[in-house]
Amino acid sequence: KAGVTQTPRYLIKTRGQQVTLSCSPISGHRSVSWYQQTPGQGLQFLFEYFSETQRNKGNFPGRFSGRQFSNSRSEMNVSTLELGDSALYLCASSLEGLTPQHFGDGTRLSIL
Amino acid sequence: QKEVEQDPGPLSVPEGAIVSLNCTYSNSAFQYFMWYRQYSRKGPELLMYTYSSGNKEDGRFTAQVDKSSKYISLFIRDSQPSDSATYLCAMSEGAGGTSYGKLTFGQGTILTVHP
Repeated sequence: KAGVTQTPRYLIKTRGQQVTLSCSPISGHRSVSWYQQTPGQGLQFLFEYFSETQRNKGNFPGRFSGRQFSNSRSEMNVSTLELGDSALYLCASSLEGLTPQHFGDGTRLSIL
Repeated sequence: QKEVEQDPGPLSVPEGAIVSLNCTYSNSAFQYFMWYRQYSRKGPELLMYTYSSGNKEDGRFTAQVDKSSKYISLFIRDSQPSDSATYLCAMSEGAGGTSYGKLTFGQGTILTVHP
């Protein structure tokens, strides 16, 4: 069974730009969660989608948004990029939004 | 104060040693407890998943949860160099409301097992 797939693996952007990251969950999983991982803050929850609806959101500014499609694939968008947005962005999927969650290998975003 | 506290280490042990990793937490609503292993340039990999208090064993790994003390542990027996990674504890409240899809993580412990 294929795992969680995230694309692209690496991205370099400049301040002020916007970026879209993609996540394909494990087949049959309907819940997709997004996390930001940095050396200083560790893994922090961004938001969760289930059946194309955002059910839960972490403490991040509105520049961070997402969506989920009918096939459960999800995208995350960050607008007006700031230097502090440099991080590893991880996507995780689960059957229904309860544990256990399975993670992809992430997208490494670097802001210049 | 963070909801989940985990000693970041680093922890260095010889091959074959028993490794003990632990986390403490403050949110009494946490019901599900997990341990993930993360290798460099990879995403976290689920190692152990337990519900409420008790022990769970899987091969060389044993997870313990003590909800009364708000303390969880992961033991690795006969540690191998391939166990060298960052170990993350994670917790969730369970169904409903603001808990859907949300894991709260510790900072991670960097473990090195040397031959």
